[in-house]
Amino acid sequence: GAVVSQHPSWVICKSGTSVKIECRSLDFQATTMFWYRQFPKQSLMLMATSNEGSKATYEQGVEKDKFLINHASLTLSTLTVTSAHPEDSSFYICSAKKTAATNEKLFFGSGTQLSVL
Amino acid sequence: ILNVEQSPQSLHVQEGDSTNFTCSFPSSNFYALHWYRWETAKSPEALFVMTLNGDEKKKGRISATLNTKEGYSYLYIKGSQPEDSATYLCVNTGGFKTIFGAGTRLFVKA
Repeated sequence: GAVVSQHPSWVICKSGTSVKIECRSLDFQATTMFWYRQFPKQSLMLMATSNEGSKATYEQGVEKDKFLINHASLTLSTLTVTSAHPEDSSFYICSAKKTAATNEKLFFGSGTQLSVL
Repeated sequence: ILNVEQSPQSLHVQEGDSTNFTCSFPSSNFYALHWYRWETAKSPEALFVMTLNGDEKKKGRISATLNTKEGYSYLYIKGSQPEDSATYLCVNTGGFKTIFGAGTRLFVKA
């Protein structure tokens, strides 16, 4: 089956530093990758959609200069939280699709728990 | 906005019980309805993707139905087992939006 690897699983950082999270599709080429955030006891919220070789599309309310997304290849997308602050502490998770079809299922990473001190 | 509501929020059942939960969504701007199972410390795993009104899908003891006209989907688990314990997520993908429900947390007691 399709596997998506996400690293790191958890990270603790100081306020003001930047954190990079990687999302890799191990055995397939991902046309599209998605990044989500989940605060405690809330739903997963889509942050942005990225397609290989093009700029990410951010959801309303998500700061593109703060959450930098790079999708340089068909198997790797990265999310960088720049100048992280305690309010950025959250669970971040990625998913990937093999094709752009709406009825294509999503393959998820295992998520990253970010704690900003 | 394509709000997705799931109920109940959590559910405790005994091993062997059959159970079901609901996902409701606005029937307009509907493209596909996904169900995922998310076990603790693991990645969400796709169960079903349904697009047509009246769709019914089955995978082992788990099945799902879709009513796009009234905006709901049911997920059924027959003869629940402890390994079914997980959060079940419903997702509505409509146009350029992907909206997740908050999930139903299922606990199956042996």
